[in-house]
Amino acid sequence: EPEVTQTPSHQVTQMGQEVILRCVPISNHLYFYWYRQILGQKVEFLVSFYNNEISEKSEIFDDQFSVERPDGSNFTLKIRSTKLEDSAMYFCASSGTSGEQFFGPGTRLTVL
Amino acid sequence: EDQVTQSPEALRLQEGESSSLNCSYTVSGLRGLFWYRQDPGKGPEFLFTLYSAGEEKEKERLKATLTKKESFLHITAPKPEDSATYLCAVLRHGGATNKLIFGTGTLLAVQP
Repeated sequence: EPEVTQTPSHQVTQMGQEVILRCVPISNHLYFYWYRQILGQKVEFLVSFYNNEISEKSEIFDDQFSVERPDGSNFTLKIRSTKLEDSAMYFCASSGTSGEQFFGPGTRLTVL
Repeated sequence: EDQVTQSPEALRLQEGESSSLNCSYTVSGLRGLFWYRQDPGKGPEFLFTLYSAGEEKEKERLKATLTKKESFLHITAPKPEDSATYLCAVLRHGGATNKLIFGTGTLLAVQP
């Protein structure tokens, strides 16, 4: 059964450093998303991506965040200068025409 | 403002003791309501999509129903392996948005 994969599973970084979180969406899906979940809080939308451009972004997704689909399979989230409050689980998701979003296992980002 | 509220926050059941989880929503035009299961440290696992009031879907011991204001996830004769956090999310009509708006979840513990 096709699934969304994410790497790394856990990333530890120092405040101010850049991190890149990677995702491989389900192969025939066209819509890609990043969500995050701070420990003990709800899952929050960050950004959606379709046809090689951002289709929607939340207030959280400020200038320090960027997304890219560098090739036909990968989808990345870059945080340019990490802050302590960026510590969270980051989930990638993808969907086809049905609108049902399938999530990856997540990357736990810890900013020290 | 779009809002999703889940209750109870936590629920403890004995194995075989049936119950229901509630998801009430306020959204400007519902395009779909989604139920996910989330195990600790993992990504949300898709369970059901409901699109219109009166719709019902079933999967093993789970049954999801939808009205114009809320959705219920009924769990019949639960087993310990059903222990998880159950998340509800809505997708609203309007524009190009595919943003899921999540509730805070119900933490279900099923004791043998």
